[in-house]
Amino acid sequence: QQQVKQSPQSLIVQKGGISIINCAYENTAFDYFPWYQQFPGKGPALLIAIRPDVSEKKEGRFTISFNKSAKQFSLHIMDSQPGDSATYFCAATGGSQGNLIFGKGTKLSVKP
Amino acid sequence: SAVISQKPSRDICQRGTSLTIQCQVDSQVTMMFWYRQQPGQSLTLIATANQGSEATYESGFVIDKFPISRPNLTFSTLTVSNMSPEDSSIYLCSVEVGTSRGPQHFGDGTRLSIL
Repeated sequence: QQQVKQSPQSLIVQKGGISIINCAYENTAFDYFPWYQQFPGKGPALLIAIRPDVSEKKEGRFTISFNKSAKQFSLHIMDSQPGDSATYFCAATGGSQGNLIFGKGTKLSVKP
Repeated sequence: SAVISQKPSRDICQRGTSLTIQCQVDSQVTMMFWYRQQPGQSLTLIATANQGSEATYESGFVIDKFPISRPNLTFSTLTVSNMSPEDSSIYLCSVEVGTSRGPQHFGDGTRLSIL
């Protein structure tokens, strides 16, 4: 019940395309869902986050869609750029958890 | 946001030795976390370190192997003791900013290789 399942494991997108990464969770007590972006040799950087009282949050080219009934959330990267090539992690926390539960990550490659 | 500095950024150590990793934050924070990330893998929580109390360890991690100190609201250390090649990994410090279950920010990690 503590898992966060992330897919796909890897993703190749053409420049200008839309990158979509999906995550699913089981624990209904989770109430905070961040996405992190990690470049090689760096720590994860908080990209965007959502709480379950809204179904969508947009910041620039990055959008989180949240489906509370399905216990799923996804990251959409519009107009993907080669500089977006990185590993993306979804995460969740809430209830008795203080720490984040991470998905396994998606390695995104944006081809020029 | 918060600026998190970890030292050392990388190290190569001999089997059987111990290494202490430092995490310094530029603001006072209540909750600090230590994670391990094996190459190409996701992050696994080692322990939660709150100032003024004993660290809370996750299943599979023990205090004798990974002792943690949290002497004040801006600093913590993680020691990796009696190292073996299986301890080769990236060790990351993170802090929670603001209210409970708010944004967590990470340092750039310590890349540890054991020979």
